[in-house]
Amino acid sequence: DQQVKQNSPSLSVQEGRISILNCDYTNSMFDYFLWYKKYPAEGPTFLISISSIKDKNEDGRFTVFLNKSAKHLSLHIVPSQPGDSAVYFCAASIGGGADGLTFGKGTHLIIQP
Amino acid sequence: NAGVTQTPKFRVLKTGQSMTLLCAQDMNHEYMYWYRQDPGMGLRLIHYSVGEGTTAKGEVPDGYNVSRLKKQNFLLGLESAAPSQTSVYFCASSFLTGHEQYFGPGTRLTVT
Repeated sequence: DQQVKQNSPSLSVQEGRISILNCDYTNSMFDYFLWYKKYPAEGPTFLISISSIKDKNEDGRFTVFLNKSAKHLSLHIVPSQPGDSAVYFCAASIGGGADGLTFGKGTHLIIQP
Repeated sequence: NAGVTQTPKFRVLKTGQSMTLLCAQDMNHEYMYWYRQDPGMGLRLIHYSVGEGTTAKGEVPDGYNVSRLKKQNFLLGLESAAPSQTSVYFCASSFLTGHEQYFGPGTRLTVT
């Protein structure tokens, strides 16, 4: 049973436009959510996170929105740039996250020129 | 400052062979993790450690063992490799929580 779901395996967006990546979760115990970015043949890198006590967190071009009632979060990238082409993983944790993260399957974002 | 390094980068094993994957971090992080990633799947937690000398099972621990004898190293062992263990293995570490984890570049393992 997948507790973190990314239902779009891929997403194609034009350069300069907004990219919106979605993530749903089923475990109501999750209280911290993260987005990781992964290039081919590299390990994932941390991008942005949000605690369940917030509904929005912003860092430069990246904004994460959390809707707890819907168990849904989204990552907005504005404006999208060619270097944003990568696989994006949504992840969640309980408590301090010491016992690891639960990842979604990822969304491959392709930024078209 | 190398961050998180993994050895080896690639390995091919025959069914039944054993091997150890080494993860090293130079950031003085307390927590370390081993994940595996299969095609079309997210990362799944194999084992983790919240400090030197401690280890715990994750989501998919069967067929693997781990050891954390030194704070900076986390070893993942396969005692008798099976084709189902063909995967890319990622090690990660984090400082005081498990949230912002720093990942190594991965080890691609093929078991024939």
